[in-house]
Amino acid sequence: DQQVKQNSPSLSVQEGRISILNCDYTNSMFDYFLWYKKYPAEGPTFLISISSIKDKNEDGRFTVFLNKSAKHLSLHIVPSQPGDSAVYFCAAFTSGSARQLTFGSGTQLTVLP
Amino acid sequence: DVKVTQSSRYLVKRTGEKVFLECVQDMDHENMFWYRQDPGLGLRLIYFSYDVKMKEKGDIPEGYSVSREKKERFSLILESASTNQTSMYLCASSTGTARSYGYTFGSGTRLTVV
Repeated sequence: DQQVKQNSPSLSVQEGRISILNCDYTNSMFDYFLWYKKYPAEGPTFLISISSIKDKNEDGRFTVFLNKSAKHLSLHIVPSQPGDSAVYFCAAFTSGSARQLTFGSGTQLTVLP
Repeated sequence: DVKVTQSSRYLVKRTGEKVFLECVQDMDHENMFWYRQDPGLGLRLIYFSYDVKMKEKGDIPEGYSVSREKKERFSLILESASTNQTSMYLCASSTGTARSYGYTFGSGTRLTVV
């Protein structure tokens, strides 16, 4: 029973264009969401987060959008660069309860030069 | 910066061996976690710990145990390794404060059981 789903295992985008990575969740108790990036042979690193009281959070080239009614969030990368090629994990959390994150299955982003 | 160190990057073990994966963090974090990463399945939580000598099962604890005798160290134990435990194992730590939700991960241990 996957509570956090990333339905696209892979995505290819041309350098300079927009990358959009999607994530859906089923647990309505989740109120904090994070994106992690992972390069091969390295651990995941934190990228950007959003609280459920917001619908958008921006950090440089990265923007996360949250649609609570649809239980959907997305990560936009503009413009995409070859160094962005990595696996991106969506994660969710219920504040005030357990402290563990629930992760999605990941999306492999490839940015073509 | 918080550093989470996993003792081995690559391990090859035989079926039936007892395997120890070590993880050490240097920022006095209360929480520590063990995940495994498999293609198409993402990161799945094996065990976690909120304090010394404290442990809780995650989503896939079968075939694993853990030990946390010191705050900075969290060990994952495969009691009798099997080929289906071939995977990338990731350790993470975090603080217990209410607004600090993110994890810091180690670089991972690629375990192959033959």
